[in-house]
Amino acid sequence: GDSVTQMEGPVTLSEEAFLTINCTYTATGYPSLFWYVQYPGEGLQLLLKATKADDKGSNKGFEATYRKETTSFHLEKGSVQVSDSAVYFCALVTDSWGKLQFGAGTQVVVTP
Amino acid sequence: NAGVTQTPKFQVLKTGQSMTLQCAQDMNHNSMYWYRQDPGMGLRLIYYSASEGTTDKGEVPNGYNVSRLNKREFSLRLESAAPSQTSVYFCASSVWGDEQFFGPGTRLTVL
Repeated sequence: GDSVTQMEGPVTLSEEAFLTINCTYTATGYPSLFWYVQYPGEGLQLLLKATKADDKGSNKGFEATYRKETTSFHLEKGSVQVSDSAVYFCALVTDSWGKLQFGAGTQVVVTP
Repeated sequence: NAGVTQTPKFQVLKTGQSMTLQCAQDMNHNSMYWYRQDPGMGLRLIYYSASEGTTDKGEVPNGYNVSRLNKREFSLRLESAAPSQTSVYFCASSVWGDEQFFGPGTRLTVL
């Protein structure tokens, strides 16, 4: 079945550091890929998405590229802020199986 | 547009009590979902409704029932609450096969 694996947290960084969160997936067919973010005490928000191979999703300084050859969708940000402290979820969905498959989530803590 | 709304935001129940969590969306989405989120467990799908008039079990349906009241509304019922159902519950909606939009969550404690 479809699955998503993402790096375990917590990831602790200093402000202005470079952030990478690894995400790899297994899926039949051609999934769409997503990164969701959950700030403390809130629901999940879509951060970015990519629907086909080589697509790059970007939002709020975050980027992720859909790599079909390595079945990966790693999230990156060049310079994090304290306000980026949150839990980040990688997820996929396929047309034939329209439910989201989530990774376990990665907590990111950014210190001043 | 309010997006996805959930009520209540917080609830405390005693073991054996029942309650219904309400969810509504105003995005004209066909599909709606109920998840629970527990520490270290990520999000787990309880039930979903691919379209109005249909509901199906997800990963952890035991102890829950759902009703797709109309296209906008999808409720989750706990018939006899247990401490193991203490969790944060999220409702979501989507076009089938596309990104999901989440509500703010209901924080439920069962004593």
